[in-house]
Amino acid sequence: QVQLQESGPGLVKPSQTLSLTCTVSGGSISSGGYYWSWIRQHPGKGLEWIGYIYYSGSTYYNPSLKSRVTISVDTSKNQFSLKLSSVTAADTAVYYCARIDGASQFDYWGQGTLVTVSS
Amino acid sequence: DIQMTQSPSSLSASVGDRVTITCQASQDISNYLNWYQQKPGKAPKLLIYDASNLETGVPSRFSGSGSGTDFTFTISSLQPEDIATYYCQQYDNLPQVTFGPGTKVDIK
Repeated sequence: QVQLQESGPGLVKPSQTLSLTCTVSGGSISSGGYYWSWIRQHPGKGLEWIGYIYYSGSTYYNPSLKSRVTISVDTSKNQFSLKLSSVTAADTAVYYCARIDGASQFDYWGQGTLVTVSS
Repeated sequence: DIQMTQSPSSLSASVGDRVTITCQASQDISNYLNWYQQKPGKAPKLLIYDASNLETGVPSRFSGSGSGTDFTFTISSLQPEDIATYYCQQYDNLPQVTFGPGTKVDIK
């Protein structure tokens, strides 16, 4: 059973960079066939796709966030990471990592981690 | 960009009722649509993929239909554990994916 777990600071100061890591267990990121994604959910709101990465390093980002987002992968640690720069209070959200099967459906999700942007 | 709308935004129904949620795409997306259930404080869970296929392990009271721009998600007999928000998600214009705004389902 594939499991994903987000980790990282729960509080980030405005203008700084938000950094989160997703650790995958029960399956190898390097096995291929899947994309690895970040999604966020503002408090009380809907789901916003941030971007995803293939094990080879190919990335795809939501155009609305592209200028501030970097997603990377570390296959040796079976992890992938999110960096979101120049954060503001509007970036306060629960951040989820998830696996995408065939670049179409999000079939496994992490439990989510709340990141608050505040001084 | 493909925009997704859902209706209603919320509904209240009795246990045993048939519940229907609709999702509309701003352009033809064939059957490239998935449905998710999100319970309070939890991550979303995939229920239906490719518009009408039931994910393994999901109860058969859940179903989906539609193609093109109009899609329907149905709970044939609402159960107390179905209290959640339901989201549609399109993947027609990969690599971009878009979620609908969600429909909150409560028990009357």
